[in-house]
Amino acid sequence: NAGVTQTPKFRVLKTGQSMTLLCAQDMNHEYMYWYRQDPGMGLRLIHYSVGEGTTAKGEVPDGYNVSRLKKQNFLLGLESAAPSQTSVYFCASSYLTEAFFGQGTRLTVV
Amino acid sequence: KQEVTQIPAALSVPEGENLVLNCSFTDSAIYNLQWFRQDPGKGLTSLLLIQSSQREQTSGRLNASLDKSSGRSTLYIAASQPGDSATYLCAVYSSNTGKLIFGQGTTLQVKP
Repeated sequence: NAGVTQTPKFRVLKTGQSMTLLCAQDMNHEYMYWYRQDPGMGLRLIHYSVGEGTTAKGEVPDGYNVSRLKKQNFLLGLESAAPSQTSVYFCASSYLTEAFFGQGTRLTVV
Repeated sequence: KQEVTQIPAALSVPEGENLVLNCSFTDSAIYNLQWFRQDPGKGLTSLLLIQSSQREQTSGRLNASLDKSSGRSTLYIAASQPGDSATYLCAVYSSNTGKLIFGQGTTLQVKP
């Protein structure tokens, strides 16, 4: 039972490059979330989804896009990376109960 | 808009002390509240989950309480140990939107 898996775990991007982070869950959860964590700021919600085919904006959505084509996968895209997007990204899934988190993706934009 | 606040931002105590971490939220329309622990450079470990209908939950030396009407939760740690040193985060699950919103965290240092 893998739980929540994030791919990749580390990545270095140049300014202006694009990339996609993948979050996969095997718990049949309806809700999935993408967060970013910066020093001293807790976790801030970027986008979330309450079911397959749905997405919604969180607290800090600018510069990111998401897609939830399959229930088990939630993709986070950066179309044109900026140094301000250097952060640790966490994905989570849940459905009205305990939330489960992936191990994080450390992204550096140079 | 749900806002979650944790006070204090940092706390340093000697080993053996009992301590309380605070979490407050502005919108009482929640399904549950969850407390997490995060070690430096690591992911999140779930500690306790309190459903909106519950008043408290206990696990070992940890006890979490919830007062939904006043928008407050506390995490009580008994007989603190150096191994308890970490950042503690609370998160509330909004029943209106499905959002899971975090506080900024409290960084705890327990000195031997």
